[in-house]
Order: sequence, then C-alpha cells, then structure tokens
Amino acid sequence: GAVVSQHPSRVICKSGTSVKIECRSLDFQATTMFWYRQFPKKSLMLMATSNEGSKATYEQGVEKDKFLINHASLTLSTLTVTSAHPEDSSFYICSARQSRGPKTDTQYFGPGTRLTVL
Amino acid sequence: GESVGLHLPTLSVQEGDNSIINCAYSNSASDYFIWYKQESGKGPQFIIDIRSNMDKRQGQRVTVLLNKTVKHLSLQIAATQPGDSAVYFCAENVNNAGNMLTFGGGTRLMVKP
Repeated sequence: GAVVSQHPSRVICKSGTSVKIECRSLDFQATTMFWYRQFPKKSLMLMATSNEGSKATYEQGVEKDKFLINHASLTLSTLTVTSAHPEDSSFYICSARQSRGPKTDTQYFGPGTRLTVL
Repeated sequence: GESVGLHLPTLSVQEGDNSIINCAYSNSASDYFIWYKQESGKGPQFIIDIRSNMDKRQGQRVTVLLNKTVKHLSLQIAATQPGDSAVYFCAENVNNAGNMLTFGGGTRLMVKP
C-alpha cells in the first residue's frame, strides 16, 4: 500500500520549453502532496506544498510562476516547469500523505523525475 | 535555525555486520521521526518511523532509537546486506507546523561483501 508514481521518470527538453511532471497516489487519497528538488549528493529541498482544491504553498525562494502546481484531484498533482533553463535541471520528487488512516503524517515518495534542460 | 543533521556522511560496513546510522535534531517540538532509504536514481523509501512518546521501535532487521534528552535519533540495521547500500535520511515532523518534514543531510551506507 501507499504507492506513489511519477511520470515521466526522465525527460530531456530544450531551453525555453515547459515540462509537466505528474505525481499520482495509486492506492490512497492524498489531500496534501509535496514537491521536492534534489541536487546530486544532496538532501531533499522542499519546493512547495500542494493542497487539493486550493493554491499551493511555496517555500521561500521558489518562484510560483516558474514552478506551477496544480492539485486537481485527491490522487493527482502536477508540477509544470515553465520556460525551463539549464539551471532547472535536477531530480524532482513528489510525496503524498494519506488523507485518512493511522499514518496521515507519513509522506510516501514517488520514484522521482530526472529533468535535463539542454 | 532549527535543523536536522547527521554525524557521518559515509559509513562503510562489512556484509553481515550491524550498522548504526545517527542523526541529531535540534527542534524540541518535533514529535514524529522517519527514516528513509534512497537508492541511486530513485525516490526515498519509507523504512521505519517513531513518535516522540516512544524511545524504541523495531521493524524487520531495523530498529530506531529516539533519545529526546539529547535530541538524537539512530537507525540500526542488523546483519547488513549488499542491498542495504544506499543513502539514509532522517526526517523530523512538527505536528503544528503543517506536518512538513525537515530532512537531514543523509548518510551513505556502503556494504562491503
């Protein structure tokens, strides 16, 4: 149980294009999902908290117009990197929390999406 | 500011030995802690968790110890196997802070055959 998927797993795009990454909770409902960014050999950096049916909450220093988040249903959140540039190349990971049950404060992570911007 | 950190960035152990990965935290309001395992190119995988009203919790081959007095968390892996090689992160959660997780810097565990 508590499986989270991400799509795509790897994407290469040209500078200036936009890329959408999907995060799905497969066997549970997730009112809250989180988006992280991870640089090589570093820990996870929280970018934003995605709440179903409302606007995402962004961490300080994260541009909300650059990283668009949509959480339209209880099982899907999307992150769109707009007008991507090489410095946006990174490993993006989402996580989800169960809406109900004994582990509503545990975050379960997706497998990550490797974005490379040329 | 408040932070979660790890003492050792890399831990090398012999296959079959026990491993101990340590983590220090500084937020006394943290009430829930999780250990994650991350293999190269993959997302973090939940291993075990512990709440602040406990000081020990055991899983399959893993044990988490929590010492609230010195704000210290450890992950013990029994009979370490090559498949245990990964980076391990501790994370702390403060219930009244939106249930967000703060991650430590990570420890790389290398298991020698």
